[in-house]
Amino acid sequence: DGGITQSPKYLFRKEGQNVTLSCEQNLNHDAMYWYRQDPGQGLRLIYYSQIVNDFQKGDIAEGYSVSREKKESFPLTVTSAQKNPTAFYLCASSIGRGLVHEQFFGPGTRLTVL
Amino acid sequence: GQQVMQIPQYQHVQEGEDFTTYCNSSTTLSNIQWYKQRPGGHPVFLIQLVKSGEVKKQKRLTFQFGEAKKNSSLHITATQTTDVGTYFCAAPNNNDMRFGAGTRLTVKP
Repeated sequence: DGGITQSPKYLFRKEGQNVTLSCEQNLNHDAMYWYRQDPGQGLRLIYYSQIVNDFQKGDIAEGYSVSREKKESFPLTVTSAQKNPTAFYLCASSIGRGLVHEQFFGPGTRLTVL
Repeated sequence: GQQVMQIPQYQHVQEGEDFTTYCNSSTTLSNIQWYKQRPGGHPVFLIQLVKSGEVKKQKRLTFQFGEAKKNSSLHITATQTTDVGTYFCAAPNNNDMRFGAGTRLTVKP
């Protein structure tokens, strides 16, 4: 059963702690993306990667870091430098590097900073 | 970077009424995509429009791409409670896609 998985579904952290959100896909997609969604708002791009070992900053990359060591995996680390990290985080992938391919989204991780 | 403006932000309709959401860009788009996000869920791809003036239909949903490829609309005929959710348009921006702010649709039975 192919798709994108994100874990955990809910995550709580204390201020000052780094936390890593997992994103795995078995769709053999080249491109992967991380978005942040705040209540009642749209999707804002954090980072994206079009190929293994390469990634680019999106609009709101400050306070976040990513890695792309494997095609299947694109973990996102929310660092203590992120001032307002409480949000819904969505990972997505698409088949190629072009801009004509649909994005497949994972179920998301809801992060709450206590 | 490329921005797509989407209106309205919210729309509340009575079941059976029609609904339309609009996306506008200041620049010509190579394509535009539409997604639906159910409450508590994640965005799901609905359709992609590529050609100038293109119109596509999916049952009660009609998608249009403007002649100048700067605007697009999604129209739902005779809404049902299953149509509830937020509808997003998305357009290319250099090497990534940028999403509109979304239109949140609520339907009163």
